[in-house]
Amino acid sequence: KQEVTQIPAALSVPEGENLVLNCSFTDSAIYNLQWFRQDPGKGLTSLLLIQSSQREQTSGRLNASLDKSSGRSTLYIAASQPGDSATYLCAVNRSGANSKLTFGKGITLSVRP
Amino acid sequence: DTAVSQTPKYLVTQMGNDKSIKCEQNLGHDTMYWYKQDSKKFLKIMFSYNNKELIINETVPNRFSPKSPDKAHLNLHINSLELGDSAVYFCASSWGLASEQYFGPGTRLTVT
Repeated sequence: KQEVTQIPAALSVPEGENLVLNCSFTDSAIYNLQWFRQDPGKGLTSLLLIQSSQREQTSGRLNASLDKSSGRSTLYIAASQPGDSATYLCAVNRSGANSKLTFGKGITLSVRP
Repeated sequence: DTAVSQTPKYLVTQMGNDKSIKCEQNLGHDTMYWYKQDSKKFLKIMFSYNNKELIINETVPNRFSPKSPDKAHLNLHINSLELGDSAVYFCASSWGLASEQYFGPGTRLTVT
């Protein structure tokens, strides 16, 4: 059974800092991995999707990497801003016909002005 | 333009009642999902439908019955609501079973 872990549960950083959010998963037989952002009381916004054959994906100040063999992914946020404050969720999609997303519990990020 | 929409946004009801949540997507996707986010913010899949056919049912009580009248809609009907059903329910869609998923804004269900 796939388990996805995100540690720490919460993180507070000053504005301008570069930061890394970690995600680990127990079963390396994944099809892809997706990073989401969730603002309080809102839905999930997809940030980046990395296919299992890829090592990283970039979008603006965000860079996500994937090391499938070690069961790890990181989300790098450059030059953090107060508007980046949100909960960041990692989800892995398993291979096979019955693919589904298994989520971590998320990391709540607070960027202090 | 709203990609994945859900109605209602909030739903407050009493134990024992039956309620429905509607979901629509205008992305042309062929796969739709229902997720439940509990009070600890943990998101877990409930159902997935591909081309209106049930693909995944994650040991959800049979009081929950999804209905997909067409590829753009996936509704969730809940019978005999219980206190433990209180949660935020998210609908999502994707093109195919393993591609990027797009989520709706969620429906906060409170059972009193």
